[in-house]
Amino acid sequence: AQTVTQSQPEMSVQEAETVTLSCTYDTSESNYYLFWYKQPPSRQMILVIRQEAYKQQNATENRFSVNFQKAAKSFSLKISDSQLGDTAMYFCAFHPTSYNTDKLIFGTGTRLQVFP
Amino acid sequence: DAGITQSPRHKVTETGTPVTLRCHQTENHRYMYWYRQDPGHGLRLIHYSYGVKDTDKGEVSDGYSVSRSKTEDFLLTLESATSSQTSVYFCAISPGTGGAGANVLTFGAGSRLTVL
Repeated sequence: AQTVTQSQPEMSVQEAETVTLSCTYDTSESNYYLFWYKQPPSRQMILVIRQEAYKQQNATENRFSVNFQKAAKSFSLKISDSQLGDTAMYFCAFHPTSYNTDKLIFGTGTRLQVFP
Repeated sequence: DAGITQSPRHKVTETGTPVTLRCHQTENHRYMYWYRQDPGHGLRLIHYSYGVKDTDKGEVSDGYSVSRSKTEDFLLTLESATSSQTSVYFCAISPGTGGAGANVLTFGAGSRLTVL
């Protein structure tokens, strides 16, 4: 079975600091996509960043970057210069290209609190 | 938001009653999905559709049925609601093409269902 594990149920960080959220996954496939989604208190699911497994370069989006370690099956999210608006639930998700459609397997989430 | 709406947004019902949640999209996306979100479980796939009248089960499909008679509408039905189906339900869509939008899910705002 293909699974996604987020081992940190909750984390906190002070405004302007850097925080890293962990994600590991289990798969026998060689090609796949990895995602981080953010869910603020509004409950809306928002795509943060996306990584294709065959690309060795780590994806970045402004203050958000990933550390993708394919051999270790690890996909952590680093948030730099944390802002109060980063307070949210963060979900790691996985999509093997062997799947029909684009359906995702999600981790259980990490709740991030940014303090002033 | 992104041409996807869910209705109703909130519903309280009693055990044993039928419930239908509607997902409507204006993006003409091929694929549609229903997920449920529960604390400690993240998002889990209930059913998905890869075209009109083409649907398949996800990992937690027991007690749920779906229908898609038009590209824009994907209905989730609980034939006889139970308290274990109290959850937040998310609809998502994806283009199903090989272009830049492939493999990115766009989510609706969610529907909170309480079964008493």
